[in-house]
Amino acid sequence: GAVVSQHPSRVICKSGTSVKIECRSLDFQATTMFWYRQFPKQSLMLMATSNEGSKATYEQGVEKDKFLINHASLTLSTLTVTSAHPEDSSFYICSARDRLAGPIGEQYFGPGTRLTVT
Amino acid sequence: QKEVEQNSGPLSVPEGAIASLNCTYSDRGSQSFFWYRQYSGKSPELIMFIYSNGDKEDGRFTAQLNKASQYVSLLIRDSQPSDSATYLCAVRRYSSASKIIFGSGTRLSIRP
Repeated sequence: GAVVSQHPSRVICKSGTSVKIECRSLDFQATTMFWYRQFPKQSLMLMATSNEGSKATYEQGVEKDKFLINHASLTLSTLTVTSAHPEDSSFYICSARDRLAGPIGEQYFGPGTRLTVT
Repeated sequence: QKEVEQNSGPLSVPEGAIASLNCTYSDRGSQSFFWYRQYSGKSPELIMFIYSNGDKEDGRFTAQLNKASQYVSLLIRDSQPSDSATYLCAVRRYSSASKIIFGSGTRLSIRP
């Protein structure tokens, strides 16, 4: 089955530093990847949609200069949280859609990255 | 009004019984509907998707869709303790370039 990996699984960083999270589709090509954030006991909130080779589309209220997304290849997307603050502490999950999937095609989720900013 | 609404629960069901999870959505243009299961601290995993009115069965799971009522449900037969998790209903609209909108989830607890 389709596998999506994320690295790192957990990261602790100091306030003001930047953190990069990688999302890879291991056995399929993903033209579109999605980045979600989930706070405790809340649902997934879509942050942005990234398409390979083009700029990401950010959801309303998400600062594109703070959450930098790069989708340089069909198997890799990265999310960089710049100048992280404690309120950025959350569970970040990426999801990828198979290039060969039709309009009904499901998204495959990565295992998530737990970010803690101290 | 939220785009996808679910009762947050918790829904407590005895082991072996049928668990019924419900979801309503606001956009009549919605085309595809998904149920994900999420264990605490883990990312969601897809259980089923449905896009035609009626029922779709897969093992112990049955998804039901009623587009006229803008309602989708998930039935879990012979509930097991391992089914205890949060179930997320998700909806995709073609007009949104395949963006999936998630409900807030229903927490299901199967009591032995």
